Order: sequence, then C-alpha cells, then structure tokens
Amino acid sequence: DAGITQSPRHKVTETGTPVTLRCHQTENHRYMYWYRQDPGHGLRLIHYSYGVKDTDKGEVSDGYSVSRSKTEDFLLTLESATSSQTSVYFCAIRFEGRYEQYFGPGTRLTVT
Amino acid sequence: SQKIEQNSEALNIQEGKTATLTCNYTNYSPAYLQWYRQDPGRGPVFLLLIRENEKEKRKERLKVTFDTTLKQSLFHITASQPADSATYLCAPPGEGSSNTGKLIFGQGTTLQVKP
Repeated sequence: DAGITQSPRHKVTETGTPVTLRCHQTENHRYMYWYRQDPGHGLRLIHYSYGVKDTDKGEVSDGYSVSRSKTEDFLLTLESATSSQTSVYFCAIRFEGRYEQYFGPGTRLTVT
Repeated sequence: SQKIEQNSEALNIQEGKTATLTCNYTNYSPAYLQWYRQDPGRGPVFLLLIRENEKEKRKERLKVTFDTTLKQSLFHITASQPADSATYLCAPPGEGSSNTGKLIFGQGTTLQVKP
C-alpha cells in the first residue's frame, strides 16, 4: 500500500462546516494527489502536489484547497462543505521517475 | 475536450474464459495509458502501463494492447477466475500532463467471473 494512510476514514458533517482530510505517507514521495470518486463520474483529480508548498489544481478544484507544509502530509480542506461534496476521497502517491500511482484506502465523506 | 470511455455495462463471463475490456479515448493522443483494478470499498490498484510506442504488454494472465490509430486500449484477462471479479479502470494522462501524473480515469467496467 506504499505506506499511505488517510484520516478520517469516515466522516459525516453538516453543510457549511469546514472539513479537513489528511493523507499521510511514510516514504518521502514527492508527488501526491487528491481524487474524488462518484457514481457516474469515476475518479476525478482535485489537486496535486509536486513537493513541499508546491501544489496545483486538478479537474474539479472549486470548493477545495490543499496544503503541504511537510513531505509526508497532504491536506485537503473543504472551507464550507456542501452536499455536492459528498463523495469518497482518495489520496495517491507517485514514485519519482515512474508514472503509476498508489492509492490510499479512501475517506467516505457525507455532507448533510 | 479529451474523453475516456469504458463500457459501463458489467461484463459477465464464465471461469476459464478470456475477459476483454475496452477503453476508448478521443480528441488527443496520450503518451501512455494505465490500467487499475478496484475492489468495492478499496482504492484502485495499479496493474499495467503501456506506452504509445508499445503495441502490447503482458503480465502473467494480463495483456494490454494500445492502438493509437483506433484510439483504443484493450485489456485481456486470460483463464479468468472468480477472484478476478472487480472493476477495472483505464487512465491515460490528460493532454500535456504526461510528466505531472494528472490522470483522467474512465468510469470503469465491472467484471463478474462466474464459477
């Protein structure tokens, strides 16, 4: 599993509240990614990071922000959660010099 | 815009047969394409990567082809087993994203292998 953990694994929150999801890796990989997975849409990239403090937007970044203050942690924040952000969120890492990605176990987020 | 299409209908086959899954892409030419397996409630797991200059790639019972003229990749599982039942995702990088790893995933095809 490339030493990737995600927390929390499940969360229920109310509309309008801030939420932060954490992705933690233990192997000092430079590249990290946040995806969401929804029925009918498949996996879609939200944000990615190519190093500490280096991040960029993905396909569906509106309503999300990220931070990477140290190599091992990549945080995804929903500043004000909406019901449309109910989804399963996956974090992934990529080894330097390779293209394949390794995914974490996912976080199921429900916004009521 | 770039589009990745996989057959959304589930594929049901008998144990021992060969399963063939299709991935079509439009409006661009990716430098490579990846295939992942996803089991319910779990993250995708990388299986194979094929580059645009490779016609075919094999790994044990898995075979992937890449036809840049047809803009299509085929994923084959030979001698299929019930344990192969899962959803299979194809994922090329987005246009201009070969080095950043910004993948575009198809919606996946669910394979069910019956004993």
